[in-house]
Amino acid sequence: TQLLEQSPQFLSIQEGENLTVYCNSSSVFSSLQWYRQEPGEGPVLLVTVVTGGEVKKLKRLTFQFGDARKDSSLHITAAQPGDTGLYLCAGASGTYKYIFGTGTRLKVLA
Amino acid sequence: EAGVAQSPRYKIIEKRQSVAFWCNPISGHATLYWYQQILGQGPKLLIQFQNNGVVDDSQLPKDRFSAERLKGVDSTLKIQPAKLEDSAVYLCASSRTWDEQYFGPGTRLTVT
Repeated sequence: TQLLEQSPQFLSIQEGENLTVYCNSSSVFSSLQWYRQEPGEGPVLLVTVVTGGEVKKLKRLTFQFGDARKDSSLHITAAQPGDTGLYLCAGASGTYKYIFGTGTRLKVLA
Repeated sequence: EAGVAQSPRYKIIEKRQSVAFWCNPISGHATLYWYQQILGQGPKLLIQFQNNGVVDDSQLPKDRFSAERLKGVDSTLKIQPAKLEDSAVYLCASSRTWDEQYFGPGTRLTVT
C-alpha cells in the first residue's frame, strides 16, 4: 500500500517567518501535486511536479520534487495570514489516480 | 466556468439510516472522483469514474456504499446503512486532463 507521510502535522508561526513542509514516501510517483484546503472548502490545486529534481515557484511558494520522485517539499517565504490552511500533497500512481498525504495544518499569526 | 457543485452541504443522520450525496462536475470533464475526508486527514479515494464507467472502486465499502454516474455527467454516492465511522466530509472532484483535479466544496456528514 502506498503511503504519503507529511511533516510536520501542525505548524503555527508568526507572519514573516519562513517554513518548509515535507511529503515523504517509500514509493515512486509519476507526478506529485500540492493543494491548499481552507475550512469548509475543497482542496485547491497549487502545482503539479513531474520530473525528478524539478523546482517550481509560485510567488512566495517553492515546490521541489525529489530526485528519486519519492518525496517533495513546499517552502513558503515570508508567510502571511492568508497562507493559513491545510496543505496536502498527492502522488500519482498512474494517470488520473492520486493518493493524498496526511496533511499539514498551517496557521500564520498576524 | 462553473465549478464542481455538490449537495447537500451538510447532513445529519442517525446510524443505520441511509443518505445520498449529489455531484455535478465541471462541464466536459470525463473523470469524476468521490473522496472521503475524515477530520484532520487527507482525502481517501472511494471511487473513480471515466465517463459512466468505473475505473477504480477498490476502497469503496461495497456492503454499504454505492455510486453511479448515469449518462457520464452527474453522480450520486449513497450510504446504506450508515455507521458512526462514516462521519466525514465527502468530496467530489472532476478532471479533463491527468494533471488536474477540481474539487467541490464537499458534503459534511454527521452520523449520530
